[in-house]
Amino acid sequence: DGGITQSPKYLFRKEGQNVTLSCEQNLNHDAMYWYRQDPGQGLRLIYYSQIVNDFQKGDIAEGYSVSREKKESFPLTVTSAQKNPTAFYLCASSIASGPYEQYFGPGTRLTVT
Amino acid sequence: SQQGEEDPQALSIQEGENATMNCSYKTSINNLQWYRQNSGRGLVHLILIRSNEREKHSGRLRVTLDTSKKSSSLLITASRAADTASYFCATDGGSNYKLTFGKGTLLTVNP
Repeated sequence: DGGITQSPKYLFRKEGQNVTLSCEQNLNHDAMYWYRQDPGQGLRLIYYSQIVNDFQKGDIAEGYSVSREKKESFPLTVTSAQKNPTAFYLCASSIASGPYEQYFGPGTRLTVT
Repeated sequence: SQQGEEDPQALSIQEGENATMNCSYKTSINNLQWYRQNSGRGLVHLILIRSNEREKHSGRLRVTLDTSKKSSSLLITASRAADTASYFCATDGGSNYKLTFGKGTLLTVNP
C-alpha cells in the first residue's frame, strides 16, 4: 500500500524546545517537500529536496532545519528560533521536482505553548 | 509570494447544485493543478491541466484554463455533501522545482 505518512498527528511542545516531525514515503519519489499551513491560509513552502543528500530552502525556512539521508525519509525539525511554530505541517512528495502532481501526507498539527 | 488566488473565499450551495471556483495567477505556467483538502487532512490531487490545454474533465469535475487571462475555473457538477472541503489551485509559475498554492475556496454543500 503505497503512500506518504507523517507522525505524530498531534504534537505538543513547550516554548524553547526543538521538535522533529517525521515524514516517510514508499512511492520511490525523488522529490519531497515540507509546507506550513496556518488557519485560512494556503500552503507555504519551508524546505524541499530534489534528491537524496540535497535540500534547499523554500519561502519560509527561518527557524527550521531538515535532512535527507534516505530517499524515503525527510524529517523536519522546528527549532526554538522559529517565532510562531504553532501550525499544521504537511509533507509531500513527487516523482521529481517541478510541475508534477504532489502526494501529501495526513499532516501534523504542532502546538507550542 | 502568492501566485494563485482562488475566488470566492467561501461558497455554500445545496446538494445537487453545481459549484464553480476560480483561480487567477500572475506569471506564465507550465501547468495548473487543483487539489482538495478535507478539514484537518492532507491535500489530494484532483486534476492537472497543461498550459496548452483549454479544458479537461474528470468524472464530475471540469477544469478550464485561459492563459490569456491567466485564470482557471473548477466546476463540480451535481454536488454532494461529501464534496464539502477546501479547494486549492497550484501553479508552477515557470519554476522548475516547486508549486505555489493559493489560499483556497471553502466549499460547503448542504444536504
